[in-house]
Amino acid sequence: GAGVSQSPSNKVTEKGKDVELRCDPISGHTALYWYRQSLGQGLEFLIYFQGNSAPDKSGLPSDRFSAERTGGSVSTLTIQRTQQEDSAVYLCASSLVAGSGYTFGSGTRLTVV
Amino acid sequence: AQSVTQLDSQVPVFEEAPVELRCNYSSSVSVYLFWYVQYPNQGLQLLLKYLSGSTLVESINGFEAEFNKSQTSFHLRKPSVHISDTAEYFCAVSDNTDKLIFGTGTRLQVFP
Repeated sequence: GAGVSQSPSNKVTEKGKDVELRCDPISGHTALYWYRQSLGQGLEFLIYFQGNSAPDKSGLPSDRFSAERTGGSVSTLTIQRTQQEDSAVYLCASSLVAGSGYTFGSGTRLTVV
Repeated sequence: AQSVTQLDSQVPVFEEAPVELRCNYSSSVSVYLFWYVQYPNQGLQLLLKYLSGSTLVESINGFEAEFNKSQTSFHLRKPSVHISDTAEYFCAVSDNTDKLIFGTGTRLQVFP
């Protein structure tokens, strides 16, 4: 597609429920990233996929968080047993080559009540 | 490990005044440096980047940033701001792994 597409744009969930966030990167972009943006804080790196290499999961805050990327394209970020501190905007980005800069999606605003 | 420091969380300025948003980084390897902008209720957009070559880089809307290796800085400047420049600005650094580390952001508020 023309840009990075994320869905849903907004998600309200009850504490303890599981949620899935979807990212559809720009066609042909081999690298895909997930970040989290919390109020008053910067962007926190979560996970990075590059081609067929093993993902860099070093930023995932707990084992409740996981992500997969199927067929080198669409990615799903899953948060199990959501907590209120998981409330944030989850941003996905993709890039074509290293150093070229990312293209970000508009994000998914997650609210855990 | 890499890190980025944006000391100013908010910068208020009047329209047509000059502005500088500060960014310092730490890294033990060669770096790529970026500024991203987030306008109200919008996603992040790449403003400008330094990869190599000339240390002064410019954006299409009048911003510029200078890579200063000795001071490990990449400050963003504009000689005359507009109301429409009101936004959150994020500095970011990456090494050759392509993973970006972001600063905490600076909110630029331009007043008429």
